[in-house]
Amino acid sequence: GQQVMQIPQYQHVQEGEDFTTYCNSSTTLSNIQWYKQRPGGHPVFLIQLVKSGEVKKQKRLTFQFGEAKKNSSLHITATQTTDVGTYFCAGKDPNTGNQFYFGTGTSLTVIP
Amino acid sequence: DTGVSQDPRHKITKRGQNVTFRCDPISEHNRLYWYRQTLGQGPEFLTYFQNEAQLEKSRLLSDRFSAERPKGSFSTLEIQRTEQGDSAMYLCASSRGLAGDTDTQYFGPGTRLTVL
Repeated sequence: GQQVMQIPQYQHVQEGEDFTTYCNSSTTLSNIQWYKQRPGGHPVFLIQLVKSGEVKKQKRLTFQFGEAKKNSSLHITATQTTDVGTYFCAGKDPNTGNQFYFGTGTSLTVIP
Repeated sequence: DTGVSQDPRHKITKRGQNVTFRCDPISEHNRLYWYRQTLGQGPEFLTYFQNEAQLEKSRLLSDRFSAERPKGSFSTLEIQRTEQGDSAMYLCASSRGLAGDTDTQYFGPGTRLTVL
């Protein structure tokens, strides 16, 4: 079955350091979305990537979709305490309709 | 507030009881999703509606779970004969249901279920 894994599971960084989380799917995806979930909160949509090799930027956040559309990454430059939370990727398998498969998440802690 | 709302926010029940949760999506959103999330895990897809039609159900969804969206607006998720393993956060999300692959999901605050 479809599996979406993320690494690392946890990441502690000093404020100002960079952070990257990686998302890997067992199958080719039609698209991938990224969400942020603050402690005690609900997932909040960040971005969607559709094209092979696509790169999108949102201020300090850079999102990338792999050429084979099986992996993705989120990179945060110069982390701030407001970046704290768990980052999830969610992929859509073209063979299983509109179902999104969420990754296991990467929990980011930023030490001031 | 025009976001996705869920009710109740918390539910404590005894094993064997039935529970029902409600989700009110963003108005004019055609698609509605239900997910389950346990601590330290990502949301797990349960089912999905396009307007009033339930189009997809997870194979993990047992017969004790049923969902409806009778008028294509709000939705209910019922769990019959609850078990301790049902304890989780139940999340609802809605989206516009645009053609193609440009479908942003907006999540509600969730209903936290505790089965004693």
